[in-house]
Amino acid sequence: DTAVSQTPKYLVTQMGNDKSIKCEQNLGHDTMYWYKQDSKKFLKIMFSYNNKELIINETVPNRFSPKSPDKAHLNLHINSLELGDSAVYFCASSPDRGAYEQYFGPGTRLTVT
Amino acid sequence: RKEVEQDPGPFNVPEGATVAFNCTYSNSASQSFFWYRQDCRKEPKLLMSVYSSGNEDGRFTAQLNRASQYISLLIRDSKLSDSATYLCVVNIVLVNRDDKIIFGKGTRLHILP
Repeated sequence: DTAVSQTPKYLVTQMGNDKSIKCEQNLGHDTMYWYKQDSKKFLKIMFSYNNKELIINETVPNRFSPKSPDKAHLNLHINSLELGDSAVYFCASSPDRGAYEQYFGPGTRLTVT
Repeated sequence: RKEVEQDPGPFNVPEGATVAFNCTYSNSASQSFFWYRQDCRKEPKLLMSVYSSGNEDGRFTAQLNRASQYISLLIRDSKLSDSATYLCVVNIVLVNRDDKIIFGKGTRLHILP
């Protein structure tokens, strides 16, 4: 069983489109995250939810909107996609907020053309 | 000074050798520290947490030096399978008790046969 799963694994779309990435964890964790890893391999946190409550909201364009319907799911919706949004997006979960290890999903490789 | 800094490498090391690399952090409010490894085109995976007293897991040893604000990772008897990028992660507890999670840009390690 995959602990943290993301769909889709690959996403190719045109500028201006709206797309969503889904994430699910079956570890019973309370906290989930979205990260962006750009072409320079720099991994940067975007959002974090703890028990469906937004707790980290880094400086990210408001075209990006996370949604957590329950603590096992954290989805990422992106409006009006731009070329600079091309990256790998990783979802992760941890038992709780703070000093805990994180478990990452396999990533979604987004290419905006 | 960047919040978390790592030597990007690459470190090219013959199989069987010992290799060590450091990660420096600038915020003295940093409380938790981790090493992750990331293989090419894969997700990051926790290698080990870093405790104040230092900790060892098989061939891997992690150390924390709070006075000089760095953590280190030592790999003994290196294997070809150790080739990866090693990411340093620092968790900072802010004044308002929110968490700030920062990943270093990673150190690339190539073990040579």
